[in-house]
Amino acid sequence: GAVVSQHPSWVICKSGTSVKIECRSLDFQATTMFWYRQFPKQSLMLMATSNEGSKATYEQGVEKDKFLINHASLTLSTLTVTSAHPEDSSFYICSARLAGDLTDTQYFGPGTRLTVL
Amino acid sequence: GENVEQHPSTLSVQEGDSAVIKCTYSDSASNYFPWYKQELGKGPQLIIDIRSNVGEKKDQRIAVTLNKTAKHFSLHITETQPEDSAVYFCAASEETSYDKVIFGPGTSLSVIP
Repeated sequence: GAVVSQHPSWVICKSGTSVKIECRSLDFQATTMFWYRQFPKQSLMLMATSNEGSKATYEQGVEKDKFLINHASLTLSTLTVTSAHPEDSSFYICSARLAGDLTDTQYFGPGTRLTVL
Repeated sequence: GENVEQHPSTLSVQEGDSAVIKCTYSDSASNYFPWYKQELGKGPQLIIDIRSNVGEKKDQRIAVTLNKTAKHFSLHITETQPEDSAVYFCAASEETSYDKVIFGPGTSLSVIP
């Protein structure tokens, strides 16, 4: 149980284009999903918190107009990297919390490797 | 906000030996402390967690201890196996309306056969 998937698992795009990454909770409903970015040999850095039906909360220093987050349903959140540049190349990981769960447990997806040429 | 430090950054042990990773946190209001294992190219996997009302928790070869007074917590892996080789992250909750967690910098564990 508590499986989170991400699509695509990897993507290569040209500079200036936009890329959408999907995060799905497969066997549970998630009112809250989190988006992280991880550079090589570094820790996970929280980018934003998304709640179903409301606007995402972005961490300090994360451009909300560049990283668009939509949490349209209890099982799907999307991250769109707009006008991507080489410095956006990174490993993007989402996590989800069970709806109604009183604990703080987050279940992570497998990650999406983004390479911007 | 919360700040989590983790030591050591790299750790090599012989198969069968124990491994200990230590973390400290800054926010005394934190009450949830998960540990994650991340293999190369994969997402983190929750291996054990502990809450502030508990001092120690065990799950087979893995144990976690928490000292709230000193604001530190540790991961203990006994009888290590080569498949335990990975990067381990500790994390601590930050008291916001969405209860996010802040990750430590990670420890790269190598178990030598």
